[in-house]
Amino acid sequence: DGGITQSPKYLFRKEGQNVTLSCEQNLNHDAMYWYRQDPGQGLRLIYYSQIVNDFQKGDIAEGYSVSREKKESFPLTVTSAQKNPTAFYLCASSPLTGGPNEQFFGPGTRLTVL
Amino acid sequence: GIQVEQSPPDLILQEGANSTLRCNFSDSVNNLQWFHQNPWGQLINLFYIPSGTKQNGRLSATTVATERYSLLYISSSQTTDSGVYFCAVEPRANSKLTFGKGITLSVRP
Repeated sequence: DGGITQSPKYLFRKEGQNVTLSCEQNLNHDAMYWYRQDPGQGLRLIYYSQIVNDFQKGDIAEGYSVSREKKESFPLTVTSAQKNPTAFYLCASSPLTGGPNEQFFGPGTRLTVL
Repeated sequence: GIQVEQSPPDLILQEGANSTLRCNFSDSVNNLQWFHQNPWGQLINLFYIPSGTKQNGRLSATTVATERYSLLYISSSQTTDSGVYFCAVEPRANSKLTFGKGITLSVRP
């Protein structure tokens, strides 16, 4: 099945620890995105990448880091510098070229800092 | 940056009723998408509709780009329609999506 997978579904972290969230897509999409959602709020963009080995900061990049070593994968690291990391994290991808640049989303990861 | 406002913020319907959800945006857009977020958090694509009208079953959407708004119509609502509906816009080609705060819909049996 084509789609976007995120793992783990739930993640618990102690304060002061870094944690990495996985995002993989087999849609052959060029662009990938990470969003954060807080309760009762819309989605805010953390980072995005339009090509391998390149990425740009979104609106709330502080305390986060990403890499794009492969087209299919866009992992997000939540560092200890992120002051309020407890949130729902969503990964998305879009084709960017060859048609409508429609974004599709993975199932999300719920991160809780204990 | 571009502003996206959705209304009403909350909506309660009896099963079988119809509803209209609105999305206003502050500038011209290249793309507009409607999503439904189910109770498990998954965002489901409803429409990709930068302009014009589309229909998919009981749902339809209209975007009037020149007047900077989009409407999502839900007819004969069902309890499974409950959740949060998001509108998101892309101001220019290959730029980022900006989301509204969402409309929480509750459909009661």
